[in-house]
Amino acid sequence: AQSVTQLDSQVPVFEEAPVELRCNYSSSVSVYLFWYVQYPNQGLQLLLKYLSGSTLVESINGFEAEFNKSQTSFHLRKPSVHISDTAEYFCAVRDMGNTGKLIFGQGTTLQVKP
Amino acid sequence: DAEITQSPRHKITETGRQVTLACHQTWNHNNMFWYRQDLGHGLRLIHYSYGVQDTNKGEVSDGYSVSRSNTEDLPLTLESAASSQTSVYFCASSESTRDEQYFGPGTRLTVT
Repeated sequence: AQSVTQLDSQVPVFEEAPVELRCNYSSSVSVYLFWYVQYPNQGLQLLLKYLSGSTLVESINGFEAEFNKSQTSFHLRKPSVHISDTAEYFCAVRDMGNTGKLIFGQGTTLQVKP
Repeated sequence: DAEITQSPRHKITETGRQVTLACHQTWNHNNMFWYRQDLGHGLRLIHYSYGVQDTNKGEVSDGYSVSRSNTEDLPLTLESAASSQTSVYFCASSESTRDEQYFGPGTRLTVT
């Protein structure tokens, strides 16, 4: 079985400051890793994913995440945040088998202040 | 454009009533999922389906049922609504078990 822990429920940060949202997972099998973003009153959208290859993955809007197998982590980072990044962010894992089921963390609310 | 829709977007119902939440996708995806979102719990899987006539229980399936009579729809039924089922419900679909899931806009359900 897998589990996901997002270590911070809320992260307040000023605009243009860097941010890191932490995600740790537990699994007895190899997994795929995802970050989803949820803007207010909307559904979830995929931000980025790690399936294989380079352990550093990037999104089109400046976020990046690094898969660290030894520390079982997949932290999300952005060097300079914008007001529009205010949202809830979910880390999720899926085993490499064919079940397709996602296991989500509790979510982290990123609050960007002007 | 292909999409996934949910209806209603908001629903208030009374304890003990049967409620059905609709999910419709035009992606022609085989896999469909229902999650509930609660503060402090993230999203938890209720039921899922890999194709027509296939349904499976997820992590929190008690009190819920689904049926899959066609590719496009996976309605979620609460047989006898309870206050503990007040939540936001999300439907998702994916082309295969290896692909990303696409989420609907959600249904906010309040059971009074």
